[in-house]
Parts: sequence; structure tokens; C-alpha cells
Amino acid sequence: AQSVTQLDSHVSVSEGTPVLLRCNYSSSYSPSLFWYVQHPNKGLQLLLKYTSAATLVKGINGFEAEFKKSETSFHLTKPSAHMSDAAEYFCVVSDFDRGSTLGRLYFGRGTQLTVWP
Amino acid sequence: EAQVTQNPRYLITVTGKKLTVTCSQNMNHEYMSWYRQDPGLGLRQIYYSMNVEVTDKGDVPEGYKVSRKEKRNFPLILESPSPNQTSLYFCASSFGQDYSPLHFGNGTRLTVT
Repeated sequence: AQSVTQLDSHVSVSEGTPVLLRCNYSSSYSPSLFWYVQHPNKGLQLLLKYTSAATLVKGINGFEAEFKKSETSFHLTKPSAHMSDAAEYFCVVSDFDRGSTLGRLYFGRGTQLTVWP
Repeated sequence: EAQVTQNPRYLITVTGKKLTVTCSQNMNHEYMSWYRQDPGLGLRQIYYSMNVEVTDKGDVPEGYKVSRKEKRNFPLILESPSPNQTSLYFCASSFGQDYSPLHFGNGTRLTVT
């Protein structure tokens, strides 16, 4: 069965310092992986997705994630945090082999990012 | 504007009174799905639909029904709501390939007393 573990429920950083949000997954397939962000009182917005052989994925707002198959990880990073990055972040894994139709999706429990001035 | 529209945004009801939360998308997406979000649990998938008249259970389908009679609409029905269904609900849609991003509605906050 597929599952997603976000290793930190809360992460606090100072503005201008690096951000690391950790995600490990388990899957019977070669899944697609996503990071979504949720700002207060809003729906979720896609940050980035892994669907190809390129293991380093670039997303919006300066975020990146690196797919490491040997470690079954898909950690999200940003070199320099901004106040506007404060939000909740979700790691998501799909149920099917990459290239298939979308089926069930599994969400991590979320990481709340706080950015201090 | 491309969007997923949920209604209502807020709903307070009593145990056992049937309710429907509507979801509509204007992007001609094949795939639609419903999630509930609870503190500390992230989002859990309730039901999803690959296309018209095709629906499947997600992780937590008990107590919910859905229908997909038209491509653009995917209502969530609670036949007999209970307090444990108090939650924040999101509808989402996509083109349906596994790499297609989901587009989310703004959520419906449901309280069942």
C-alpha cells in the first residue's frame, strides 16, 4: 500500500535562511510525487511535481525537490525563506505507475512552516 | 477564469439532516475528487471519479455518497450527517493523467451538531 510520511509537523525558520521540509513515501509502483501548499483559508496549490527521470524538480516561488529512489524520499527545499512562504505544505503520492491515469492520491499529514522576521 | 467552485463555503447542520455540497469545474477535467481535512491528519480522499458515471472509493468513503452525471459537476452527499463528519471539505479536479496537477476549490467548512 502507498503511504506518505512528512517527518516534521512544524518547521520554523528565520527569513533569509534555508528551508527543508522532509517527505518519505512507500509505494508498490514508480509513482508520481507532488508538493502542494495551502495558505490560510485557501485551497491547495501545486508547488511542483515529479514525473520524469530528472530527479531534481523545480517548482514555483523558488522551491525545489529532489527525488531519491534509494531513500524513498522527496524532500522540499528553498535556499532563502520569505515571509510569504509561511503556510502548510503537503507531500502527495499517486496510486499508479507513472504515466497511468490518476487514481487514488495519498497525502502526508502536512508540515506547518513558520517564517520569523 | 478556470476554477473549481464549491458551495456553500460554510454550513452548520444537525445530526441526520441530509445535505449536499456542490462542486463544479469549468476546465473540462475528467478527474474529480473529494477530500476532508482534519487537524493533524492532512487530507484524506473520500471519493474520486475518473469520468462521467465512473466513481470509486477513497480512504474514508463511509457516510458519504457521490454522483457524476455530468462532467463538470461532482456533488458530495451526506445522507445522515453525524458529528464526526464535522470537517473542512475540498473538491479538486484535473485532466486525469497521474502527472496532472489538481485544481482545488476553496473549501467547505461543515459543522454537524
